[in-house]
This record gives sequence, C-alpha cells and structure tokens, in this order.
Amino acid sequence: AQTVTQSQPEMSVQEAETVTLSCTYDTSENNYYLFWYKQPPSRQMILVIRQEAYKQQNATENRFSVNFQKAAKSFSLKISDSQLGDTAMYFCAFMKASLGAQKLVFGQGTRLTINP
Amino acid sequence: NAGVMQNPRHLVRRRGQEARLRCSPMKGHSHVYWYRQLPEEGLKFMVYLQKENIIDESGMPKERFSAEFPKEGPSILRIQQVVRGDSAAYFCASSPYLQGTGELFFGEGSRLTVL
Repeated sequence: AQTVTQSQPEMSVQEAETVTLSCTYDTSENNYYLFWYKQPPSRQMILVIRQEAYKQQNATENRFSVNFQKAAKSFSLKISDSQLGDTAMYFCAFMKASLGAQKLVFGQGTRLTINP
Repeated sequence: NAGVMQNPRHLVRRRGQEARLRCSPMKGHSHVYWYRQLPEEGLKFMVYLQKENIIDESGMPKERFSAEFPKEGPSILRIQQVVRGDSAAYFCASSPYLQGTGELFFGEGSRLTVL
C-alpha cells in the first residue's frame, strides 16, 4: 500500500517570502502521479500542481514549483513570492497510474499561513 | 460549464437518523469518487463508481454506508443510523473515462454534523 507523509503540520511566513512544503511517499510502483492540492477555508479542493513520475523535469505553475526526487521518494512544493491568498491547508497526494482507476492517497496536510 | 456539484453543503442529523449526500459529476464524466475528510486530517478514499456499477469500495465502512450511481441522476452516498464519528466533510470527485492525466475534479464537499 502507498503512504504519503507530510512532516510539517504548520508553517508560517511573511508575505512575499518563499516557502517550501515537504512531502515524502512510499510506493513500489514505477508509474504514478504526484499532486499538491490547496484547501482554503472554503474547503474547496483546488489542484495546485501535478507531476508525472516518468518525467524528470520538475513541474512549475506560475509561482508554484516542485522538487521531485524519485529515488528519494520526495516531492516538495515551493511557493515563491507568497501572497495572502496562499493561506490554506496544503495536501500532497499520490495516485498510481492506471487506466480508469484514479484513486488518490493523501498526506495529513500542512497548514500554511501567510502573514501581512 | 458547471463543475462537480454536491448537495447539501451542510447537513445536520441526530444520532440514528439517515444522511443522504448527492453528487452530480462534471458534464461528460462517467466516473465518480467519494472521499471523507475527518477534522484535521487529509481526505481518505471511500468508493469509486461508474454508471450503475461499484468498481472499488475498499474504503467504505462495511456497515451503514452505501453508494450508488444510477443510470440517470446523481451519485448518492447514504449513511444509515448515523453516529457522532460520521461527522466529517464528504467530497465527491469525477473524472472522464481514460483521461490519462491522473486528475480528479472535486466538488465543494458536504459537511455532515451528527448531534
């Protein structure tokens, strides 16, 4: 069974700073996807960024980028130029690559607070 | 182009009552997933359905919980004889068949409170 671990329950930074959220996972699969989801106080689950395990290049989406280390099974999220609207719970998630079955395994989450 | 629609957003039940949560997937999506989020935890997979079929219910409690996705109408997660431990946010997600991107589209969740 796959597991996802987020070792930082809470983090807090000042606006405009850069922050990195950690995530490690355990799997015997070779083909899979990794995700970071954002859950603001509204509780909507918002996809921030996705990484395919077969791609060596790290995914980026505007101010969000990941550091994917497949051998170390590490998948950290970097938020540059942080904004107040980035305040939310952030969940790392794993999904085995499989046609038709897209079952996510989530970590426990990191509560990120951006201070003005 | 509506996203995944869940209702009710909030539901309050007394112990022993039944709770029904509904989910309409995105247009064109034939696969529905239900996840449960207990307070201060990540989401946990419950069940995966296609139209008229339960494909994977490995995350569903064996008793009191059931799910369906009929040929017509929304998917329904049903919890019978609710207990306080069922208080949680229940999220529905949908995906199109063989999308290949590994991406699920989530609804806004239904928060169940059991008194």
